[in-house]
Amino acid sequence: RKEVEQDPGPFNVPEGATVAFNCTYSNSASQSFFWYRQDCRKEPKLLMSVYSSGNEDGRFTAQLNRASQYISLLIRDSKLSDSATYLCVVKVMDSNYQLIWGAGTKLIIKP
Amino acid sequence: NAGVTQTPKFRVLKTGQSMTLLCAQDMNHEYMYWYRQDPGMGLRLIHYSVGEGTTAKGEVPDGYNVSRLKKQNFLLGLESAAPSQTSVYFCASVRDRDNYGYTFGSGTRLTVV
Repeated sequence: RKEVEQDPGPFNVPEGATVAFNCTYSNSASQSFFWYRQDCRKEPKLLMSVYSSGNEDGRFTAQLNRASQYISLLIRDSKLSDSATYLCVVKVMDSNYQLIWGAGTKLIIKP
Repeated sequence: NAGVTQTPKFRVLKTGQSMTLLCAQDMNHEYMYWYRQDPGMGLRLIHYSVGEGTTAKGEVPDGYNVSRLKKQNFLLGLESAAPSQTSVYFCASVRDRDNYGYTFGSGTRLTVV
């Protein structure tokens, strides 16, 4: 079982719609959580951190459920420019403090 | 401010050849990382460095070596390339371990034939 699992998609969503996807993690010692965005053939870029109480950044809302070990990302009023792959990232509390990366969920926004 | 620069951007190697990938950052970051990204898999850590003169193994270090002689540069070497090393390689840096906004280079697409 992968440490961080995501539905690979693609999610095909019309422009203006709301879309949500989840990510599950297996290590209960996971400490911090993030969503990164990766455009086709580009490098990943930090989209937002995920806080225990949930947090919002414009049209993006991230939620964390520690009991069920999953995080979610909600995108409202989706734009064509939101088309990308969204990577779920977990930081585990160990001596190396390394990031564990999900394989990503591909999102395609259609006009 | 260039951020993180990787060279080369593309390369085709024959099995058994060697090469070095260069990562340079101008942000005075302490931590630097080399990842590989393969289809259907998350980024996997090859090697990392927590400061000038230090290196450590990540999740998939076999077949690779690294050096960090200067704080701004992190080199990844393939001594004898194998087709299994065909991948996209990303370098990343971050100021310190409590900072989560990794800055990535634009990647190196390596094909080993």
